[in-house]
Amino acid sequence: GIQVEQSPPDLILQEGANSTLRCNFSDSVNNLQWFHQNPWGQLINLFYIPSGTKQNGRLSATTVATERYSLLYISSSQTTDSGVYFCAVVTYNNNDMRFGAGTRLTVKP
Amino acid sequence: DVKVTQSSRYLVKRTGEKVFLECVQDMDHENMFWYRQDPGLGLRLIYFSYDVKMKEKGDIPEGYSVSREKKERFSLILESASTNQTSMYLCASSPDPAGYGYTFGSGTRLTVV
Repeated sequence: GIQVEQSPPDLILQEGANSTLRCNFSDSVNNLQWFHQNPWGQLINLFYIPSGTKQNGRLSATTVATERYSLLYISSSQTTDSGVYFCAVVTYNNNDMRFGAGTRLTVKP
Repeated sequence: DVKVTQSSRYLVKRTGEKVFLECVQDMDHENMFWYRQDPGLGLRLIYFSYDVKMKEKGDIPEGYSVSREKKERFSLILESASTNQTSMYLCASSPDPAGYGYTFGSGTRLTVV
């Protein structure tokens, strides 16, 4: 099946810093999503982004489908950005979502 | 708001017990999923279902079974719980098998002792 690799596994920032999270995937995808899991365990969708670039406030994401990677940018980070960020993909052959191992982000005040 | 409700937030069971994890969604979604989450491994798909009485194996179905008798309810069953099934279990539902509208429950942290 498809492999989804995220980097870095852990990231510690000071409040106000910017960061880039990366997701590499091993096959063509029908859909790609970024999720944030808050410290209470709830997973929230951030972006549906199988290709192109989207922005939502301080967060933006870019997927280059031909090169099989996606980037999540967090600018001016806040303590509430802490948690685990997951990349998840759906391939054309399989209609189920597969996740990477996640990037654990800690933003310190 | 779409709601996916998991019946228990925390659960402690003994080795060998039969364990039922319940998941209910209220938005008439066809697709429902069970994942387990372990540190460093992300979310791994156990089973999913596209319709009532239909089920498909995910990446790690061994030791688990599922039941979907009604559209809104998807149950995960641990036939004989073992300590290596101690984990966070997450249920999700979606109207679209390609993943749009994916909504997660808040998870059940299961400890098998």
